[in-house]
Amino acid sequence: DSGVTQTPKHLITATGQRVTLRCSPRSGDLSVYWYQQSLDQGLQFLIQYYNGEERAKGNILERFSAQQFPDLHSELNLSSLELGDSALYFCASSVSSGGLSDNEQFFGPGTRLTVL
Amino acid sequence: AQSVTQPDIHITVSEGASLELRCNYSYGATPYLFWYVQSPGQGLQLLLKYFSGDTLVQGIKGFEAEFKRSQSSFNLRKPSVHWSDAAEYFCAGSMDSSYKLIFGSGTRLLVRP
Repeated sequence: DSGVTQTPKHLITATGQRVTLRCSPRSGDLSVYWYQQSLDQGLQFLIQYYNGEERAKGNILERFSAQQFPDLHSELNLSSLELGDSALYFCASSVSSGGLSDNEQFFGPGTRLTVL
Repeated sequence: AQSVTQPDIHITVSEGASLELRCNYSYGATPYLFWYVQSPGQGLQLLLKYFSGDTLVQGIKGFEAEFKRSQSSFNLRKPSVHWSDAAEYFCAGSMDSSYKLIFGSGTRLLVRP
């Protein structure tokens, strides 16, 4: 158990819909990262938040957005869903206090999104 | 462009045999390097990491990896594979101040009894 929790575990929805994935980082971790794992794209970095602010952006679609709240949990919002958005979405957290070892990322179990 | 390459999609070894999974990176400078393992239906677990210093890194579950700057490689090894090692293995690198991970495409390890 990494200490990172993600809800829900599974999500099945229809095209055009909007969903919210939630992530609670390990206690004390300030950074949250979101990754998407799909069969055709592999594991891709989407976005990072540090202490409530966006820090880095990867291959995240405009239909997707994220935020990190004052209690440090994060939500990833996916809208206008398409079949190709079906994937496993991982959240990871790290301390990110500046030291190299503080940036080790601990991954949650993921949310499996199925778009029908 | 920064990239991590795992040239082997699948590898099959017999239980008790040695294992080497290949990983190559392409960065402007030496990145931070990681190996993660993903069992079916599970999240990612960190096996080991390299930041600097000793180029032979020991990890959990009896795994080790060697960083070779001249070959831009960070290969994962285990002297004797157990059936429970069957999983997908991902090499990853991190190079900028965000420390976001760039993953290879993964290598699926199958273990023959």
